[in-house]
This record gives sequence, C-alpha cells and structure tokens, in this order.
Amino acid sequence: GAVVSQHPSWVICKSGTSVKIECRSLDFQATTMFWYRQFPKQSLMLMATSNEGSKATYEQGVEKDKFLINHASLTLSTLTVTSAHPEDSSFYICSARDPRTPSYEQYFGPGTRLTVT
Amino acid sequence: AQSVTQPDIHITVSEGASLELRCNYSYGATPYLFWYVQSPGQGLQLLLKYFSGDTLVQGIKGFEAEFKRSQSSFNLRKPSVHWSDAAEYFCAVGPMNYGGATNKLIFGTGTLLAVQP
Repeated sequence: GAVVSQHPSWVICKSGTSVKIECRSLDFQATTMFWYRQFPKQSLMLMATSNEGSKATYEQGVEKDKFLINHASLTLSTLTVTSAHPEDSSFYICSARDPRTPSYEQYFGPGTRLTVT
Repeated sequence: AQSVTQPDIHITVSEGASLELRCNYSYGATPYLFWYVQSPGQGLQLLLKYFSGDTLVQGIKGFEAEFKRSQSSFNLRKPSVHWSDAAEYFCAVGPMNYGGATNKLIFGTGTLLAVQP
C-alpha cells in the first residue's frame, strides 16, 4: 500500500528559530499533498494544499509567511515554521493523494510533534 | 456548508462488546466517505471507505460501516471490540469530483474510544 513518511517525528526548538518538516511519499508520486495541524484532543485542521510545481493554497486564517510550504518534487513536500513561537507547538500531519486510485485517496504520515520552548 | 458531525466525543465499551460510532454529514450530493483511526501520537490509518455500490462496506481490523443516504449517515461498527481498538476515530467526507487539485477532506471532531477489560 501507499506509504507516507514524515521527518522528524518530533522536534524541540527555541522560540524565534525556524523548523522544517519533510513529508515524503515513498512508493508513489503525489501531485497533491496536504498539511494538517492537530491540537490535543481535537480534530485535524487543514492548513494548506500543496501542489507540485506551484504555490500552495492556504486555508483561511493560516499565515502563509509563517508556514512556508514547498512541493519541489512529486515525492517531497516541506513545511517550514518560521520564527516559531510556543503557540506554534502542535502535532503536524501531512497526507499525500495517490493518483493511482480511482478515488484519489489520501494517505497520512505518522505526524511530527513540534514543541517550541 | 459542508460538515461532518460525530455526536459522541467519548465512548467506553467493554472488551468483547459490540461498537457503533456515529457519523452524520451535510453535503450537497453523496460524497466519498471515510473512517480513519488514530492511535496516540500517530498519524491516521484508513479503516474503510465508501464511494458507490453496496452500502455496507468492510474494512480492516474487523470494522464495517453502513452508508444510509436517507439519514446522511455513515456509522462505523464492530461486532466484538478488542483492547487494541482503543484509539481516536475520525469520520471524513470528500467531494465526488475528487480529481480536482483543490479538493480536500472534511473531518469530524473525532470519537475517543476507551475499552474496558
């Protein structure tokens, strides 16, 4: 089946620094990837849709200058949290759409726990 | 507006008992329907999906779900719960025209399942 990986699985950084999270589709080419944020005991909040070779589409209320998304290849999308602050601490999950399936299913990565101190 | 409702925030069942998790959606047409499971600190795993055809769909780990158009529901069931089923369960809907680059999943708020020995 389709596998999506994320790296790192957890990261601790100091306030004001930037953090990059990678999302890779391991056995398929994903033209579209999605980035979600999940607060404790809450559902997933879509942050942005990442399309290979074009600019990401951000959801309302998500700061595109703070959460930089790059989808440089068909198997890799990155999310960079710039000038991170404690309120950015969260669980970030990516997913990738598998175009081989008739329903364009999304497969999720294992998530990245970000803690900003 | 499109929405997904999971009325039960938290459910506790005894091991070996049957389980039903509720999901209702509001959508202009019959969407694609999904159930995902999330273990603590992990990403989401697809349990099952409905696109068309037989309204009773079988998934992994012994789960099944039934699509009822008249009730706009897609409830998840399992005849006998195992302790390892304790997790958070998310219902999600996606648009029928899933091939569009900007299409996205809408998640419910999740149901946390606890299993008593």
